[in-house]
Amino acid sequence: EAGVAQSPRYKIIEKRQSVAFWCNPISGHATLYWYQQILGQGPKLLIQFQNNGVVDDSQLPKDRFSAERLKGVDSTLKIQPAKLEDSAVYLCASSLGVGRNYNEQFFGPGTRLTVL
Amino acid sequence: GDSVTQMEGPVTLSEEAFLTINCTYTATGYPSLFWYVQYPGEGLQLLLKATKADDKGSNKGFEATYRKETTSFHLEKGSVQVSDSAVYFCALSGSSNYKLTFGKGTLLTVNP
Repeated sequence: EAGVAQSPRYKIIEKRQSVAFWCNPISGHATLYWYQQILGQGPKLLIQFQNNGVVDDSQLPKDRFSAERLKGVDSTLKIQPAKLEDSAVYLCASSLGVGRNYNEQFFGPGTRLTVL
Repeated sequence: GDSVTQMEGPVTLSEEAFLTINCTYTATGYPSLFWYVQYPGEGLQLLLKATKADDKGSNKGFEATYRKETTSFHLEKGSVQVSDSAVYFCALSGSSNYKLTFGKGTLLTVNP
């Protein structure tokens, strides 16, 4: 079974530029998550989708971050414009659904973003 | 809100030593508890989990018991190997929204 795919693996940009990350979840997984992992910290949830609807985006900095999952499968996360403090690893994860028996999350390899 | 506090690292052990990484949590209701591991250059992998009080999760020689009375989920292994060197994250999934809340991670280095 293929895992969660993410691209690119690495990205270096200058501040105020834009960047986009792509995620393809495990086939059949209805729930998709984007996390931000700053060096030395645990991942922090940015946004959670259930199919193509947003369940939780309470920690997404909406003035600069946006995410979509138009057909309930792939997802993109965009930052525009980037700031130095956005340097982090962006992790995508997916699960079958929500609920105690379905919420085991599988993580992709992440995209390491460096903002100069 | 939900939170996870885990033992500060780094932790350095010799091969075959006993490992304990402490984890305590704050949450309403009955969360599920997890340990994730991140090997160098790789993504997060689920190591073990427990979904209710007194459950014991185990995998690859690692164990952790869900203790509701002490709100803890400490990770243990009786004899570590060099290949266990990684960052270990304790996490909880809330009983209402199921999102994961992570601790800060503990870097384990095992020397031969």
